[in-house]
Amino acid sequence: SQQGEEDPQALSIQEGENATMNCSYKTSINNLQWYRQNSGRGLVHLILIRSNEREKHSGRLRVTLDTSKKSSSLLITASRAADTASYFCATDNDYKLSFGAGTTVTVRA
Amino acid sequence: DGGITQSPKYLFRKEGQNVTLSCEQNLNHDAMYWYRQDPGQGLRLIYYSQIVNDFQKGDIAEGYSVSREKKESFPLTVTSAQKNPTAFYLCASSIVVQGQPQHFGDGTRLSIL
Repeated sequence: SQQGEEDPQALSIQEGENATMNCSYKTSINNLQWYRQNSGRGLVHLILIRSNEREKHSGRLRVTLDTSKKSSSLLITASRAADTASYFCATDNDYKLSFGAGTTVTVRA
Repeated sequence: DGGITQSPKYLFRKEGQNVTLSCEQNLNHDAMYWYRQDPGQGLRLIYYSQIVNDFQKGDIAEGYSVSREKKESFPLTVTSAQKNPTAFYLCASSIVVQGQPQHFGDGTRLSIL
């Protein structure tokens, strides 16, 4: 079952701007992961945040997690054309992942 | 280079025909997964396996079958019972430890002739 829901569904920004997308989920989780998918390709793991963590950074990525609100956000700073992709959150329970429908990000040059 | 190889990249199925999608990994991962992705949607789990010779149904297993005879291989058969098989199919693998990322292949796009 799909537990995560991303918002917005689509996002268009200028190169150099920041992109923020949100993920809400329904039940308690062990951790939450973010993945990127380029058109016609498989998913690539970006970052994982555990349920006892509130914020995590990896390069130009910043992820936050608010377990009380059952939500997470992914921020991509100083976006580049190569960041154009779909981004998915996935909640991890019982060794299985449940994916949301994704946010499609377009970075305009 | 370690990774997951899915083949073929494109596959066409005639009505009433079974087709098999290949997934091979050389990451030495115990767990493997099959997902279906429809346009504009997220991934839905079809089947998964955490050990050789054992597998479990996911959320949408009807009309699909799998086998896990080798650690490296997890083929998916789309049977004629699957009435709407047109989709993008993704295979993934991971180690069997809570909170580990999954590694994905580049998918097989299945269409109906």
